[in-house]
Amino acid sequence: GESVGLHLPTLSVQEGDNSIINCAYSNSASDYFIWYKQESGKGPQFIIDIRSNMDKRQGQRVTVLLNKTVKHLSLQIAATQPGDSAVYFCAERPTGNQFYFGTGTSLTVIP
Amino acid sequence: DGGITQSPKYLFRKEGQNVTLSCEQNLNHDAMYWYRQDPGQGLRLIYYSQIVNDFQKGDIAEGYSVSREKKESFPLTVTSAQKNPTAFYLCASSSGEVNEKLFFGSGTQLSVL
Repeated sequence: GESVGLHLPTLSVQEGDNSIINCAYSNSASDYFIWYKQESGKGPQFIIDIRSNMDKRQGQRVTVLLNKTVKHLSLQIAATQPGDSAVYFCAERPTGNQFYFGTGTSLTVIP
Repeated sequence: DGGITQSPKYLFRKEGQNVTLSCEQNLNHDAMYWYRQDPGQGLRLIYYSQIVNDFQKGDIAEGYSVSREKKESFPLTVTSAQKNPTAFYLCASSSGEVNEKLFFGSGTQLSVL
């Protein structure tokens, strides 16, 4: 899966299937995490966030899971649609207002 | 995108030239950021500002300069000292409060002629 510092570039899924994008973050002091979606040539768009005092948070068709023991974050997209095709980034905030971003995972939805 | 306007969308720089990227926000946010994005890589922080007339270097500040004279504006200058400026530049802002997410502009693609 994606890692702040490592690179897993692509994930392909069939339309209608569920997608899982993973992220291994580096700093155990990080207390806030965000998933962003970026379409080609555009700025990242907020998807969902989670604080370190939570293990799971759900939004519309998306769920974020946080495992602080192994410093792992995942984004689950239910019933993936062609419009979900994009690059997905996780971001962690170790201190203050600075965010550190992973390298991104490119999701391709196959019709 | 979310009240943050970046201009221009595309910019070309000649050798030895300084160029300035514009970033304006109407979200009344205190904090503003500049990130650089290279193909296949994550976002890297260039500079950030938490309040007017104050800014701090990020991880890759060399060859760049910024100013924060107004709350709404955070321009980035790519100087001739930046030898590899070709990249996608993203401006972001946040309210500066605890656990407040970043809102991004639509980006500027800078290329060298």
